[in-house]
Amino acid sequence: QKEVEQNSGPLSVPEGAIASLNCTYSDRGSQSFFWYRQYSGKSPELIMFIYSNGDKEDGRFTAQLNKASQYVSLLIRDSQPSDSATYLCAVTKPDMRFGAGTRLTVKP
Amino acid sequence: KAGVTQTPRYLIKTRGQQVTLSCSPISGHRSVSWYQQTPGQGLQFLFEYFSETQRNKGNFPGRFSGRQFSNSRSEMNVSTLELGDSALYLCASSLVAGGVGQPQHFGDGTRLSIL
Repeated sequence: QKEVEQNSGPLSVPEGAIASLNCTYSDRGSQSFFWYRQYSGKSPELIMFIYSNGDKEDGRFTAQLNKASQYVSLLIRDSQPSDSATYLCAVTKPDMRFGAGTRLTVKP
Repeated sequence: KAGVTQTPRYLIKTRGQQVTLSCSPISGHRSVSWYQQTPGQGLQFLFEYFSETQRNKGNFPGRFSGRQFSNSRSEMNVSTLELGDSALYLCASSLVAGGVGQPQHFGDGTRLSIL
């Protein structure tokens, strides 16, 4: 079992829709959870981080954490073509471990 | 505030050679982590340094080593290069070492190609 698992996609949504990205992790001791966005040929860019169960909102982005079920998700509201990228889920244990990423395409 | 700076951006080496990559963290950040990114394996953790000490290490052979200087700048060395070492090497910095809630900020990476 991989430490951090994500659906590789590609996930395709129309412009203006909600994109939902999911991630599960295997280590119950994990304490911090991060979402990074990576455009093709670029380095990962931090979008959000969450430590506590529940939701955390930042603009069009909402991170959701459920430690009992060991999953973390990222919702992108009002998706834009510029959101098209690979989204990486990362978990600290304490060093940071990344999922393989989900490729998101937002179609105009 | 300047971001994480990695040099060089691109590097071409041949098998058997060694290479040193450099990373300057964001000012005030004391933790530096290194990652290898390949299409097949994704982002894999190499090691993390904090206060000139290696705190964590991933599952890479001993050919991969690193160090951190008193100004928090870090170098990564790969000896006896193999074709499979071709990858994007990313450095990330954070204020303090690992643990709860330390977001890492990435540099642009060094693209290493082995011929």
